[in-house]
Amino acid sequence: DAMVIQNPRYQVTQFGKPVTLSCSQTLNHNVMYWYQQKSSQAPKLLFHYYDKDFNNEADTPDNFQSRRPNTSFCFLDIRSPGLGDAAMYLCATSEPGTGGTEQYFGPGTRLTVT
Amino acid sequence: AQSVSQHNHHVILSEAASLELGCNYSYGGTVNLFWYVQYPGQHLQLLLKYFSGDPLVKGIKGFEAEFIKSKFSFNLRKPSVQWSDTAEYFCAVKGPGGTSYGKLTFGQGTILTVHP
Repeated sequence: DAMVIQNPRYQVTQFGKPVTLSCSQTLNHNVMYWYQQKSSQAPKLLFHYYDKDFNNEADTPDNFQSRRPNTSFCFLDIRSPGLGDAAMYLCATSEPGTGGTEQYFGPGTRLTVT
Repeated sequence: AQSVSQHNHHVILSEAASLELGCNYSYGGTVNLFWYVQYPGQHLQLLLKYFSGDPLVKGIKGFEAEFIKSKFSFNLRKPSVQWSDTAEYFCAVKGPGGTSYGKLTFGQGTILTVHP
């Protein structure tokens, strides 16, 4: 089945230690997104890629970076995680289309910062 | 700022009861509207969507939603819930203008618990 895969599902990192979360997709979609979802809150978009074009949300901290080396993979890098960055990180994909498109979500990576 | 509001944080029902979950958004103009569901331990899945046309949309598993433009609402309904509908439900909106893809603004989510 075509899908969005996130690895690892659970990640523990230390305060200030860089961490990378991974997302891959077999849907061959042009657009990939990273959302942050804190406990009991709505998912919040951090940034997205349309193909190789990176689009950052205005309120995304500089501590968060992303890379998309090819269509299938997208990475979220947190340069210096703080305790406030503990959250579920969701990757999603979509394919632009006339009228509107839906997003397909991966299972998420739960990040714990100690 | 654009926002999406879900009226209930936690809804508890018995099987066979009817369900309505409220969702209001703050945009004007043309929007795309979605309901996503997250079953325990699983990823967000699309339940139904509205892009244009008939404001009453039907989704999977017997769910439907009605877009009422004048009320900026997109409420989710199901006539008779099942225990397997226990999950968290998110309303989401893609705001007006721009491309067909892009940022979804989510509501806070509603946890539905259905007792057998």
